[in-house]
Amino acid sequence: SQTIHQWPATLVQPVGSPLSLECTVEGTSNPNLYWYRQAAGRGLQLLFYSVGIGQISSEVPQNLSASRPQDRQFILSSKKLLLSDSGFYLCAWMPLPTGNRGYTFGSGTRLTVV
Amino acid sequence: AQSVAQPEDQVNVAEGNPLTVKCTYSVSGNPYLFWYVQYPNRGLQFLLKYITGDNLVKGSYGFEAEFNKSQTSFHLKKPSALVSDSALYFCAVRDRTGFQKLVFGTGTRLLVSP
Repeated sequence: SQTIHQWPATLVQPVGSPLSLECTVEGTSNPNLYWYRQAAGRGLQLLFYSVGIGQISSEVPQNLSASRPQDRQFILSSKKLLLSDSGFYLCAWMPLPTGNRGYTFGSGTRLTVV
Repeated sequence: AQSVAQPEDQVNVAEGNPLTVKCTYSVSGNPYLFWYVQYPNRGLQFLLKYITGDNLVKGSYGFEAEFNKSQTSFHLKKPSALVSDSALYFCAVRDRTGFQKLVFGTGTRLLVSP
């Protein structure tokens, strides 16, 4: 079966510390992968997407970066966190061609920068 | 650019009554439209989609949505609301860049009272 795993579920990090959030998918190959951030429990902002290994597109300039070292692995990183990086981070995938369910989302990571 | 609008921040309905959560879209060409639901501190879950075909789309948990091309709307409906339907609902449209990104509305909070 096709599943998506995202960890950790919650994270509290001091300002200026590094960040690494990981997302992996199982049961599929060559998926499109996406990182979204949800601020204040409402709107979803697309941060990065990837259509293949090593292929990363950034939607908005920011303090974060993304990498895709393997087909089914997508990592969100920062060298130095800012207070404004706090939020709920969601990983999503979509198989090629478009799956019947559109995106499948991970369970999310609640990041609090203190 | 593709976009969706959810004009209501919150919808209140009594249990057992019908509910409607509104969504309008702005796209070039034929739209691919989706509805997702989010429970607190969780990822988004797929409810239903419209790609082509019947204007009335049936989805999970008794929800349905009506695609109206003349009004450019894709409202989510349910004949009889449950308290457990209380959650955050997102309408989304797939963009046409070929990377299959979804553009989300701002979300509507549904509160079903006993």
